[in-house]
Amino acid sequence: SQKIEQNSEALNIQEGKTATLTCNYTNYSPAYLQWYRQDPGRGPVFLLLIRENEKEKRKERLKVTFDTTLKQSLFHITASQPADSATYLCALHGSSNTGKLIFGQGTTLQVKP
Amino acid sequence: GAVVSQHPSRVICKSGTSVKIECRSLDFQATTMFWYRQFPKQSLMLMATSNEGSKATYEQGVEKDKFLINHASLTLSTLTVTSAHPEDSSFYICSARPAGSYNSPLHFGNGTRLTVT
Repeated sequence: SQKIEQNSEALNIQEGKTATLTCNYTNYSPAYLQWYRQDPGRGPVFLLLIRENEKEKRKERLKVTFDTTLKQSLFHITASQPADSATYLCALHGSSNTGKLIFGQGTTLQVKP
Repeated sequence: GAVVSQHPSRVICKSGTSVKIECRSLDFQATTMFWYRQFPKQSLMLMATSNEGSKATYEQGVEKDKFLINHASLTLSTLTVTSAHPEDSSFYICSARPAGSYNSPLHFGNGTRLTVT
């Protein structure tokens, strides 16, 4: 069955460092992969979308890579700030053409000042 | 930007009662909306796909008679938790994307925290 895995352990880093989060998937051949941010008690907020024919996508301090051979996406936050502390979710489209998104379990990032 | 409004943000109800949650797309039309449920420290689990003007499509294991979905207009979908029980206590989140944009990002509401006592 289709599976999306993110590191469930919280990631703690020092302010100013680069945070790298991993999303692995199996039994998928997604055309798109998306990353969202979720703060406690709030709905997710879209960050970046990357297509299968794109190796890398950037937006300000954010960078996403997509390796369809390894079935992996990496999400980087450079020059991290305490305000970046949140849970980050990767999401893939389900196998049917319904447009529904299936989410990984998320990785919680804590940036310490 | 596209805004999705979800109401109420919190609700406490007694076991056996029904609760209705509304999800509105404020500045765009959404032929499809999605309802998710999230337990503490877990990911979003898709419950159902709400289609404007037709029946919702439920994910495996989700009881359609318990979680009634109505999508009567292009801007409003409702989820009714019928005969709620304590195990239904969870964080319910709706999402939508503009009509005609199959692969574009989802816009989420801010969720409804349901507590059944």
